[in-house]
Amino acid sequence: NAGVTQTPKFQVLKTGQSMTLQCAQDMNHNSMYWYRQDPGMGLRLIYYSASEGTTDKGEVPNGYNVSRLNKREFSLRLESAAPSQTSVYFCASTPLSGNQPQHFGDGTRLSIL
Amino acid sequence: QKEVEQNSGPLSVPEGAIASLNCTYSDRGSQSFFWYRQYSGKSPELIMFIYSNGDKEDGRFTAQLNKASQYVSLLIRDSQPSDSATYLCAVNVEYNTDKLIFGTGTRLQVFP
Repeated sequence: NAGVTQTPKFQVLKTGQSMTLQCAQDMNHNSMYWYRQDPGMGLRLIYYSASEGTTDKGEVPNGYNVSRLNKREFSLRLESAAPSQTSVYFCASTPLSGNQPQHFGDGTRLSIL
Repeated sequence: QKEVEQNSGPLSVPEGAIASLNCTYSDRGSQSFFWYRQYSGKSPELIMFIYSNGDKEDGRFTAQLNKASQYVSLLIRDSQPSDSATYLCAVNVEYNTDKLIFGTGTRLQVFP
């Protein structure tokens, strides 16, 4: 009963390197989300996927790409990492579209030097 | 721009007291409202959700919603030191979707 699983938990990158953050859920949820959380800024939506095969931009999409590989998996890619992308990244999912609570993974702490 | 506002705190209450956490939102069309608890270094954990005006109780927690005033609150009765955490208010931003805007959170400290 894992829920939402994120890998890796920690990562250090150099500026310009690329990286893919992985997220998988085993709850048969339709919608999945990627957030970043910075001190004093709260959670900000990067991208979301309302269902398999669809993705849309959130509040802060610049510098990121996403792939909804199948119903279970939603990955976030940094093509050329920048220090401003140092943050804690959370993946979340909901069972159906429409006013449902989101369930969060444990997060990935990413540092870019 | 749609916004969710919370007092950052810290809100300090003695053990056994009632903690009252408040949140205001800007979008009158918002339909669903969530309270998450986040311990330091951990992920957000759902505490309560409310869709209709009025009160909703779950154990020691009560969520209160007033859509006319665009105000949602969380009351924690008989506060315990283990309740010490940051409480995030989240509001949906589009009709019949799960997209949320989060407030920056209120840090609650419960002292023995």
